[in-house]
Amino acid sequence: GEEVAQTPKHLVRGEGQKAKLYCAPIKGHSYVFWYQQVLKNEFKFLISFQNENVFDETGMPKERFSAKCLPNSPCSLEIQATKLEDSAVYFCASSQFGELAEQYFGPGTRLTVT
Amino acid sequence: QKEVEQNSGPLSVPEGAIASLNCTYSDRGSQSFFWYRQYSGKSPELIMFIYSNGDKEDGRFTAQLNKASQYVSLLIRDSQPSDSATYLCAVNGGGSNYKLTFGKGTLLTVNP
Repeated sequence: GEEVAQTPKHLVRGEGQKAKLYCAPIKGHSYVFWYQQVLKNEFKFLISFQNENVFDETGMPKERFSAKCLPNSPCSLEIQATKLEDSAVYFCASSQFGELAEQYFGPGTRLTVT
Repeated sequence: QKEVEQNSGPLSVPEGAIASLNCTYSDRGSQSFFWYRQYSGKSPELIMFIYSNGDKEDGRFTAQLNKASQYVSLLIRDSQPSDSATYLCAVNGGGSNYKLTFGKGTLLTVNP
C-alpha cells in the first residue's frame, strides 16, 4: 500500500494484560520504526527493522516489550504485562532507505492501560 | 544524550503572515532534518526535509539549515488557519543510526 497501516486504532488493557499492535509498512519500504508518543508531544524511539531483521533496539524496554517483522506479515509490537505508564500512542513509520530517508508515519495505535 | 530543542510556543500569527519556527540540535553528526506537522489526535505528517546547508522551498514552506550553528528553521508564508497545528522538528542521527530524535514541538495558531 501507499500508506503505513496500523491496527487497531484503540486498545484498552487492564494492567498486567498483554497488548499486541500491528503495522504494515508502505510497499517497497525496507525500514520500519516504532515510536511511542507520551505526554502529548514527547516521542520515544523503540526499535527499528531492516526488512525482517532487528536494526536498532536501543529504545526497547526488553523486559516486557518485543517486536517482530516477519516476511509477508504485518510487523508487530507486543507488550507483556502492561503497566499504567505504557499508556501512549504507538506510531509505526517506514522508510525506503535508512540513511537520509524520509520516514512516513502510520495513524498510530492509542493504548490505554487501566 | 542527543537533544533537539524547539520553542514550545504557542506561536500565534494572523492569517496571511509569515510563521517562523526554530529548532536547534546537539549532535554535530546529524545528517538529515525533518519538519512534521501534527494535528491534534493525528499522526505526524512530513512537510519538509533538508540535508544540505541553505534554503529549500516547497510552495509556502521554506526550510533553512545551518549546520555550523546546528540550527534548522521552517518558514510558513501566507499562513492559513488550516496551518494551525503542532510542528515537530526531527533529526536523523546519521552514521548507521537512522532513528529520529524529535523536539517537543511548537504549537502554531493562525488567527483568521
